[in-house]
Amino acid sequence: EIVMTQSPATLSVSPGERATLSCRARQSVSSKLAWYQQKPGQAPRLLIYAASTRATGIPPRFSGSGSGTEFTLTISSLQSEDFAVYYCQQYHEWPLTFGGGTKVEIK
Amino acid sequence: EVQLVESGGGLVQPGGSLRLSCAASGFTVSSNDMSWVRQAPGKGLEWVSVIYSGDSTYYAESVEGRFIISRDNSKNTLYLELNSLRADDTAVYYCARSPLGFYYFDNWGQGTLVTVSS
Repeated sequence: EIVMTQSPATLSVSPGERATLSCRARQSVSSKLAWYQQKPGQAPRLLIYAASTRATGIPPRFSGSGSGTEFTLTISSLQSEDFAVYYCQQYHEWPLTFGGGTKVEIK
Repeated sequence: EVQLVESGGGLVQPGGSLRLSCAASGFTVSSNDMSWVRQAPGKGLEWVSVIYSGDSTYYAESVEGRFIISRDNSKNTLYLELNSLRADDTAVYYCARSPLGFYYFDNWGQGTLVTVSS
């Protein structure tokens, strides 16, 4: 299976600042990479698919980039509602696999 | 509006069984690829199983031979039968929809908690 590694595990950011989250695949997943946001007690919400395409209703401060094995989720100016855990997921190959998550917390 | 509502979770003893349901509205389950994804307490996400629109099924190695995914087209409902349950199956189980041909998840249910404990 394709192992997905996210870093850092925790990111402390002040509101209004930029956050950069990393996701690395052990082997190439092409651009078949999605990002999700999860808040406590809630289901995950799709943010980005195909590495860089925002899902419906996702604000433009969220952007994704990368291909192959290295991917980045950038939140350009953190809002209070953005403090959450973020997961990447590859869908290039079965079984589908997720990264371990990055928690974005208030600094 | 797409909606997924899970039910059927609860407390079960090791070795026991449970059936989870996921009632869908706003779209047709049989026309989409549907998965179950679980999350152990305080842990990350783990894909469990998929049923394709064409009826084929596939399972994670950790549940292969113990879990069965199915759907009832007349009820527009997805199911997951959990058998031979173990403590490490304890998790919130989410049903999730994938756009046809792409296996990310664009809609999720709210989840149902399964606790395996004596």
